[in-house]
Amino acid sequence: EDKVVQSPLSLVVHEGDTVTLNCSYEVTNFRSLLWYKQEKKAPTFLFMLTSSGIEKKSGRLSSILDKKELFSILNITATQTGDSAVYLCAVEITGGGNKLTFGTGTQLKVEL
Amino acid sequence: NAGVTQTPKFQVLKTGQSMTLQCAQDMNHEYMSWYRQDPGMGLRLIHYSVGAGITDQGEVPNGYNVSRSTTEDFPLRLLSAAPSQTSVYFCASTRRDGRYTFGSGTRLTVV
Repeated sequence: EDKVVQSPLSLVVHEGDTVTLNCSYEVTNFRSLLWYKQEKKAPTFLFMLTSSGIEKKSGRLSSILDKKELFSILNITATQTGDSAVYLCAVEITGGGNKLTFGTGTQLKVEL
Repeated sequence: NAGVTQTPKFQVLKTGQSMTLQCAQDMNHEYMSWYRQDPGMGLRLIHYSVGAGITDQGEVPNGYNVSRSTTEDFPLRLLSAAPSQTSVYFCASTRRDGRYTFGSGTRLTVV
C-alpha cells in the first residue's frame, strides 16, 4: 500500500523563525513529489520534485528530494504570519492517471 | 478566470438522498480527479479520469459514481448519501505533469 507520512503534525513558531517540514514516502511507481499549501480552501501548488539533490526555491521557501532515502523536506526561512497554513506533501505515481497520494499534512502556525 | 470551478460550495443532505457535485475546468486538462478531505486523514482519491470517456476508481470509490463525457466536466454523483460521506470534496485537474489545480471545494454534510 502506498504511504506518505508527514512530520510534525503541527507546530507553532514565531515570526522570523526557520522551519523544516518533513515528508517520507513508500510508494510503487514513483514519478514525482509535490508540495502544496492549503489555507482555508483549495491546496495551491508550491513545488514539484523529480530528481534527488536538486533544490527548488521560491522566495523564502525551498525544497529538496532524496530518492535513495525516500524523503523530502520543505524549508521556510524568516517565517511570516501569512505562512500559517497546512502544508501537504503528495507523491505522484504512474500506472494510469498520475494519481496523487497525500500525507495528512503539517499544520503550521506563525505567531507574532 | 481560468481554473477549476466546483458547485455547490456547501450542501446539506439527508441520509439516502442523492446529489451531483459539479466540476468544470477551462484549461483543457486531460486528467481530472475527485478527492475527499477528512480531519486527520489528508486527501484521499475517490475517482479519476485520464480523458473524456475514461474513468477509474481511486482509493475510496464506494458510494460514488463519475462520468466524463467532455474534457471540461467531471461530475461526482452520490448515489444514496450516508453520514460517512460528510466531508470536504475537491476536484482537481492537470495536464500530465502532476501540477494539479484544485477547485475551491464543496463542504457536504449528511444528516
